[in-house]
Amino acid sequence: EVQMLESGGGLVQPGGSLRLSCEASGFTFSNYAVTWVRQAPGKGLDWVSTISGSGENTYYADSVKGRFTISRDNSKNTLYLQMTNLGAEDTARYFCAKLSNSWVVHDAFDLWGQGTTVTVSS
Amino acid sequence: EVVLTQSPGTLSLSPGERATLSCRASHNFGSSYLAWYQQKPGQAPRLLIYDASSRATGIPDRFSGTGSGTDFTLSISRLEPEDFAVYYCQHYGSSRTFGQGTRVEIK
Repeated sequence: EVQMLESGGGLVQPGGSLRLSCEASGFTFSNYAVTWVRQAPGKGLDWVSTISGSGENTYYADSVKGRFTISRDNSKNTLYLQMTNLGAEDTARYFCAKLSNSWVVHDAFDLWGQGTTVTVSS
Repeated sequence: EVVLTQSPGTLSLSPGERATLSCRASHNFGSSYLAWYQQKPGQAPRLLIYDASSRATGIPDRFSGTGSGTDFTLSISRLEPEDFAVYYCQHYGSSRTFGQGTRVEIK
């Protein structure tokens, strides 16, 4: 089955760190760029970061640049998001998604996980 | 950075009616890198339209996308009960931004 499955969310104190994971299955993971998108409670979608299939190229929203690091392990079909210096504004459901076509980094997101929730609070 | 503004914020319609959703870009981004997604409560978004006018796999033909330059439109020809949801447009060029969403609710 083609799917993306996030994990690693939870409650973290302001200034803390957390690492999210996203395990992919059912397609050749290394051929596709993948991305993180978040959604604060009751709000819209907010793109966070994208990484190319090889992992060589990464892209970040200004709001997370310098605090979040995207990476991937193609041998484990897994995408990661290391989040540091978290603030209340980072509280959201975090979705991973796959780009539609192989070998590109600008494309629509055609396969989404169900998300994992991050809550930043003391 | 491309800013996408969706209108209206909420659209109140009855099943069987036509829905027309607008997405306006802050400037012409010179490509067709525009997608539309549907999201229902508690669910992940679902890709409907990519490259401004191409339907994603499995999307019914009552959904159509048009537009270029700075003005894009998602049309739903005849609303089915399962179409009441929130719809987002997205530019997936350099800025990968989303619009703020349009809620289509049952009148």
